[in-house]
Amino acid sequence: AQKVTQAQTEISVVEKEDVTLDCVYETRDTTYYLFWYKQPPSGELVFLIRRNSFDEQNEISGRYSWNFQKSTSSFNFTITASQVVDSAVYFCALSDPGGTSYGKLTFGQGTILTVHP
Amino acid sequence: EAQVTQNPRYLITVTGKKLTVTCSQNMNHEYMSWYRQDPGLGLRQIYYSMNVEVTDKGDVPEGYKVSRKEKRNFPLILESPSPNQTSLYFCASSLRSGGYNEQFFGPGTRLTVL
Repeated sequence: AQKVTQAQTEISVVEKEDVTLDCVYETRDTTYYLFWYKQPPSGELVFLIRRNSFDEQNEISGRYSWNFQKSTSSFNFTITASQVVDSAVYFCALSDPGGTSYGKLTFGQGTILTVHP
Repeated sequence: EAQVTQNPRYLITVTGKKLTVTCSQNMNHEYMSWYRQDPGLGLRQIYYSMNVEVTDKGDVPEGYKVSRKEKRNFPLILESPSPNQTSLYFCASSLRSGGYNEQFFGPGTRLTVL
């Protein structure tokens, strides 16, 4: 069975601080996909990134960066120079290629990030 | 505009009163699914559909029904809602099943069962 653990339930930072959201996953699949979603206070889910298990290159998109380490089954998300608009719930998720789980997304519990001015 | 729509967005109801939450997508996607979001539990899949007339249970199907009579629609039915079904519900669709396909989420339906 697949499992995603986000150890940090809540994080509070002050604007301009860097913050890292941890994500650890478990799966028996050799091919899988990892995702991060953002849920702002308005409630919708905003797709941030998808990474497949064969691509261990780190990714940077503006102030966002992702560190994928297959050896430790982690896919951590860092926000550099955080801003108040980054305040949201962030979800890490795992999916298989469509085998026994038929592409179901398995979500972590979510991390509530609050950025104070 | 490519999108997944859900209705209603907010609903307050009473125990036992049947309700339906509609979900519709305009992207000709084969795969659709329903998730519920609860604090501390993240999102969990309720039901999914691989295509028209093909549906199956997800992780938390108890108390829910679905149907897929048309490709674009995937309604979620609560025959006899109970307070433990108070939650935020999301419908999602993708071209096909499989993690390599991006899933598009609807805006969510916040349901309260009194």
